[in-house]
Amino acid sequence: SQTIHQWPATLVQPVGSPLSLECTVEGTSNPNLYWYRQAAGRGLQLLFYSVGIGQISSEVPQNLSASRPQDRQFILSSKKLLLSDSGFYLCAWSDGTGTIYGYTFGSGTRLTVV
Amino acid sequence: AQTVTQSQPEMSVQEAETVTLSCTYDTSESDYYLFWYKQPPSRQMILVIRQEAYKQQNATENRFSVNFQKAAKSFSLKISDSQLGDAAMYFCAYTEYGNKLVFGAGTILRVKS
Repeated sequence: SQTIHQWPATLVQPVGSPLSLECTVEGTSNPNLYWYRQAAGRGLQLLFYSVGIGQISSEVPQNLSASRPQDRQFILSSKKLLLSDSGFYLCAWSDGTGTIYGYTFGSGTRLTVV
Repeated sequence: AQTVTQSQPEMSVQEAETVTLSCTYDTSESDYYLFWYKQPPSRQMILVIRQEAYKQQNATENRFSVNFQKAAKSFSLKISDSQLGDAAMYFCAYTEYGNKLVFGAGTILRVKS
């Protein structure tokens, strides 16, 4: 069966420090991968999505970047964190043939920038 | 672009009672898919129920059922015999084959004991 792993679960980072969040999927090949951010009590904001290795689409200009170095690995990065980067980050995957079965989400990373 | 609207920011229900969460969407397509996701305090997103637009029969999953009104572009979620564990944020979502999901803004459901 397919599983998605996201880490770390919690992260406290100082302003100006770098960031690297990792997401990996097991049990499937050529998945579509997504990074979302969510403020407390708010909706989901799509940050990046990828349909293949090295293929990244950015939905919102950010202080963030994403990379997909391997088929089932998706990384969210920042060179210098801002206070406004604080939030809950969710990784998700869907079948590469379409999203008709919805997304499967990771357990999320709670990022606090101090 | 397709949009999904959840007009109820918050809802409350008494334990063991029934509650309905509303969702409307805007599309010109005839073939699409709709979902309800639950996000409990742990913030893990869990798929609750899925509906295929070409199926007239409303989807059900145990205590969760939907009222899918295609002409009205409405997709409400009914939770029967509400339990404390149903307290969560609920998101409605829409997609077409090959496209990304479009999520609503969410509805916070509080369950009173």
